[in-house]
Amino acid sequence: DQQVKQNSPSLSVQEGRISILNCDYTNSMFDYFLWYKKYPAEGPTFLISISSIKDKNEDGRFTVFLNKSAKHLSLHIVPSQPGDSAVYFCAANRPTSGTYKYIFGTGTRLKVLA
Amino acid sequence: DAGITQSPRHKVTETGTPVTLRCHQTENHRYMYWYRQDPGHGLRLIHYSYGVKDTDKGEVSDGYSVSRSKTEDFLLTLESATSSQTSVYFCAISESILPGTPYYEQYFGPGTRLTVT
Repeated sequence: DQQVKQNSPSLSVQEGRISILNCDYTNSMFDYFLWYKKYPAEGPTFLISISSIKDKNEDGRFTVFLNKSAKHLSLHIVPSQPGDSAVYFCAANRPTSGTYKYIFGTGTRLKVLA
Repeated sequence: DAGITQSPRHKVTETGTPVTLRCHQTENHRYMYWYRQDPGHGLRLIHYSYGVKDTDKGEVSDGYSVSRSKTEDFLLTLESATSSQTSVYFCAISESILPGTPYYEQYFGPGTRLTVT
C-alpha cells in the first residue's frame, strides 16, 4: 500500500517556466512533509518542508503548497533552471506523534530544457 | 554536510554470501536510517535506529538485519544475499531544523551500489 504517491514519473519544462511537481498521500495522520532532490550517483538532498499547520512555505525559487482536505502537496519551481534537472522525492512523517519514520514517494524525474 | 560516510561505495557479491554495509556519522545524531532505492519504488525504509542498541523495522526489512553498538556506526547486514537485494543503499540521519520542535529533516550519505550475481 503506497501511502505517498507521485503519479508522474517524469516531467519536462522549458528553462524559465514554472515546474509543478505533485504528490498525494493517503494517511491523514501525516503532519510533516518534505521534498528532496537527487542527482545521479549522489544521495538525496533536502529541499523544503511544510508542516500541516501551514498551507504554503516558500524558499527562494521553491514553494510547497499543502492541501490537507485533498491530501495533496505540490512543489513549484519558478523560474526553472537547467540545474534543477534531477529526481524529486516527496516524503511524509508524523513527528508530533513521536514517530520518526519517513515514507517516500516513487519520485518524479524533472528535465529542464535549455 | 552532516558528516555521513558509507562503505563500501560499490560491491559485487554472489548469491548466498553475507554482506555488511557500514554507515558512519561524526555528529552524534540519535536517529539513523537505512533505505534502498530501486526504479519504480523510490526510497524504501529498511530499518532505522533511535539510539544505541535501539532499532526498528521499516517497510522492507525481510532479509536484512541491523546493529548499532556505537552512536556513530549503523551496520546493515544481508545474511544471505539474493539477486532481489541488488540495489543502491542509502544511509541517513535526522536532524532538527527548528530546535525545540519535532520537525526533523534527513541528511543522506552518498550511497552504496550493491550487485548480487
